[in-house]
Amino acid sequence: DTAVSQTPKYLVTQMGNDKSIKCEQNLGHDTMYWYKQDSKKFLKIMFSYNNKELIINETVPNRFSPKSPDKAHLNLHINSLELGDSAVYFCASSQDRGLATGELFFGEGSRLTVL
Amino acid sequence: SQKIEQNSEALNIQEGKTATLTCNYTNYSPAYLQWYRQDPGRGPVFLLLIRENEKEKRKERLKVTFDTTLKQSLFHITASQPADSATYLCALDTGRRALTFGSGTRLQVQP
Repeated sequence: DTAVSQTPKYLVTQMGNDKSIKCEQNLGHDTMYWYKQDSKKFLKIMFSYNNKELIINETVPNRFSPKSPDKAHLNLHINSLELGDSAVYFCASSQDRGLATGELFFGEGSRLTVL
Repeated sequence: SQKIEQNSEALNIQEGKTATLTCNYTNYSPAYLQWYRQDPGRGPVFLLLIRENEKEKRKERLKVTFDTTLKQSLFHITASQPADSATYLCALDTGRRALTFGSGTRLQVQP
């Protein structure tokens, strides 16, 4: 069984469209994340949720809206897609140790290409 | 400003040699530091975690050191193999309850 699974793996779409990426973890972790990896391979935190509560919301355009229906799922919806949104989006989860972040378990990534 | 720096140049070594990768950080006082491996087209995979009160941590052929005075971690792979070729990322918990990653160093082990 895949620990952290995200779908779709590839997404090609036109500018201006709205798209969603889904993520599920079966590890029983409390915290889930969305990271963005750009063309230079730099991994940057976008959002984190702990037990369905938004903890981190980096300076991400409000066209990006995460939703956590339960602690095993964290979805990412993107409105009005722009060329600069093209990247690989990684979902991850961790079991926190108090206020410290435990090791992250990543999904395989969703490669978004905006044309 | 806060920074995590890894050598952006690829590291090329011969099979059997020890690879040493560097992670330097400024303006953080992390309680611990983590190392991940990322293969092309895959998500990062956790390798090792070292705490601020630990000088060294080992796991099989991997060794990590953590010098909080120098603000530096070194990641060593001994007896390197072509299968060790990948990008290696260091990451810190910067107190925001999420890991902040360095840009990674690509390691290429030549047979």
